[in-house]
Amino acid sequence: QSVLTQPSSVSGAPGQRVTISCTGSGSNIGAGYDVHWYQQLPGTAPKLLIFGNTDRPSGVPDRFSGSKSGTSASLAITGLQTEDEADYYCQSYDSLSGSVFGGGTKLTVL
Amino acid sequence: QVQLQESGPGLVRPSETLSLTCSVSGGSISHSYWNWIRQPAGKRLEWIGRLYGSGTTNYNPSLKSRVTMSLDTSKNQLSLRLTSVTAADTAVYYCATDAGFSSSWFVSWGQGTLVTVSS
Repeated sequence: QSVLTQPSSVSGAPGQRVTISCTGSGSNIGAGYDVHWYQQLPGTAPKLLIFGNTDRPSGVPDRFSGSKSGTSASLAITGLQTEDEADYYCQSYDSLSGSVFGGGTKLTVL
Repeated sequence: QVQLQESGPGLVRPSETLSLTCSVSGGSISHSYWNWIRQPAGKRLEWIGRLYGSGTTNYNPSLKSRVTMSLDTSKNQLSLRLTSVTAADTAVYYCATDAGFSSSWFVSWGQGTLVTVSS
């Protein structure tokens, strides 16, 4: 099953900027399908953070931004806050498998 | 915004059938796209399948032979059946709605329900 690859963990101090990468392949991100990002706090359902590579739903701070290039995408978080400590997942569509997710990245705010 | 609530038995015996229900409020299930997604503890999210109000379905190829998704419009509920379960099917199961096309994002999620497969 085609999957998306993310770093298992990232960390940063309050106020800093961190980025989380999401690497796919020619059957998903590289085929032109959009990438979406979710934030998951412990014990809760994922919450949509970024859709369509770069767009934020209403209510999501502009500290969160997304980008996509080739077979990869990235989520950037600026002005890191303690409340940002969570798991982050990327999601795209794969022509062979349907919707696919990354393995998740645990963000630690030092 | 639509709200979703999963329900079902928390424990299923190996080789038996897992059956879950997702109750939808704040919108009609007949005119939206519905998904089931699961997450084993500490692992990645896995998309199970997608169902439109007309009854059209798309399933994850890795689960297709064991999955059935359906709608009960009289109750505004969607259902998931997964046959011949094993310990590998132990997970939190979520229902979610998407933005209306195959490659879209998942807009609203239920809170999830934990299903454990064990004898």
